[in-house]
Amino acid sequence: DIVMTQTPLSSPVTLGQPASISCRSSQSLVHSDGNTYLSWLQQRPGQPPRLLIYKISNRLSGVPDRFSGSGAGTDFTLKISKVEAEDVGVYYCTQASQFPVTFGQGTRLEIK
Amino acid sequence: QVQLVQSGAEVKKPGASVKVSCKASGYTFTSYEINWVRQATGQGLEWMGWMSPNSGQTGHIQKFQGRVTMTRDTSISTAYMELSSLTSEDTAVYYCVRGTWELLEHWGQGTLVTVSS
Repeated sequence: DIVMTQTPLSSPVTLGQPASISCRSSQSLVHSDGNTYLSWLQQRPGQPPRLLIYKISNRLSGVPDRFSGSGAGTDFTLKISKVEAEDVGVYYCTQASQFPVTFGQGTRLEIK
Repeated sequence: QVQLVQSGAEVKKPGASVKVSCKASGYTFTSYEINWVRQATGQGLEWMGWMSPNSGQTGHIQKFQGRVTMTRDTSISTAYMELSSLTSEDTAVYYCVRGTWELLEHWGQGTLVTVSS
């Protein structure tokens, strides 16, 4: 199985400041069809996860444009340009390029 | 709007089975796959498997081989996940999720399954 490793595991951020989360996979996530199936999920406290970004950098409809994804191969990044209070929660990267789907261990975003 | 409404919390004894339901609305049930993902308390996410509501085809990870059954009733747009031979390690919130593996787009509210003697 592909192992997804996120850093940091906890990220205290000041409101209005940027935040960045890294995700590294144990193998390349480039699928045989040429796509890279790396997504980011947000889980607010007490809520189910919510898909934010898919295929590295595509924001789901309704996701604020302060969220952006980048990367390639085995190294990926989720950036929040200016953190807002509603962004508090745990962020997971996930890969679906190879069976089975696997998730990172999660990064907790909290406000300083 | 797309909604996935799951059955209520369950408490089971070790060795028992649990069946979680996931009722879909707001879209054509047979047009999108249903995945099952679980999350132990305070822990991360674990993808369990998937089902095609159209064909009934399923797939799951080796860890659950022989213990998990994913089914559906298209007449009531409902998917089911049954897990047998429960142990305390199966205590978790179980989510149904609409979408392909690479697009886990719509999540149910979750069903807490507690395994305790």
